Amino acid sequence: EAQVTQNPRYLITVTGKKLTVTCSQNMNHEYMSWYRQDPGLGLRQIYYSMNVEVTDKGDVPEGYKVSRKEKRNFPLILESPSPNQTSLYFCASAYSGPNTEAFFGQGTRLTVV
Amino acid sequence: DAKTTQPNSMESNEEEPVHLPCNHSTISGTDYIHWYRQLPSQGPEYVIHGLTSNVNNRMASLAIAEDRKSSTLILHRATLRDAAVYYCILSSLATGNQFYFGTGTSLTVIP
Repeated sequence: EAQVTQNPRYLITVTGKKLTVTCSQNMNHEYMSWYRQDPGLGLRQIYYSMNVEVTDKGDVPEGYKVSRKEKRNFPLILESPSPNQTSLYFCASAYSGPNTEAFFGQGTRLTVV
Repeated sequence: DAKTTQPNSMESNEEEPVHLPCNHSTISGTDYIHWYRQLPSQGPEYVIHGLTSNVNNRMASLAIAEDRKSSTLILHRATLRDAAVYYCILSSLATGNQFYFGTGTSLTVIP
């Protein structure tokens, strides 16, 4: 089954404790991206990647890092999480860029206390 | 930044057509128009996308204005399963493959 898998689905952590949210897709897609969703603000793009070793900033990249060492994986790293990064995070992948159909994961709800 | 404007909410009766509008007055010539929807507690789901011409698929139709400054997603017969938040999105090759979501329209389907 074609899917985008995020882990964990739920995470509560403390300020400053480094964490990684994993994202994996099994569709051999070139394009992957991360979004955060906050009430009243819709989804905002954090980072995206057009292919292995190619990443670019989206609208709200501050406080986040990503890497794309393999085509299937695109982890989101929070080196020093802060409470304003409490949000619902979605990973997505698409065959070749945002002009093709994107598939989204089920989301990761992160709470930073 | 290319942005979209949608009504916050709309209602429709079950089995009637629904027209969801979207304004994107700053769209550039290379921006595609996408529609996604998000059901409660789920990630967004692709509905349809297009560039200049109207598009149809099994889920919906996309009508794009001639000047491309607005578009309309048409659900031909709303069902209760269509109740969701619908996002009109522009993807911008000109500014580096970014994907701009708006805040979406929350569609309520009345039985």
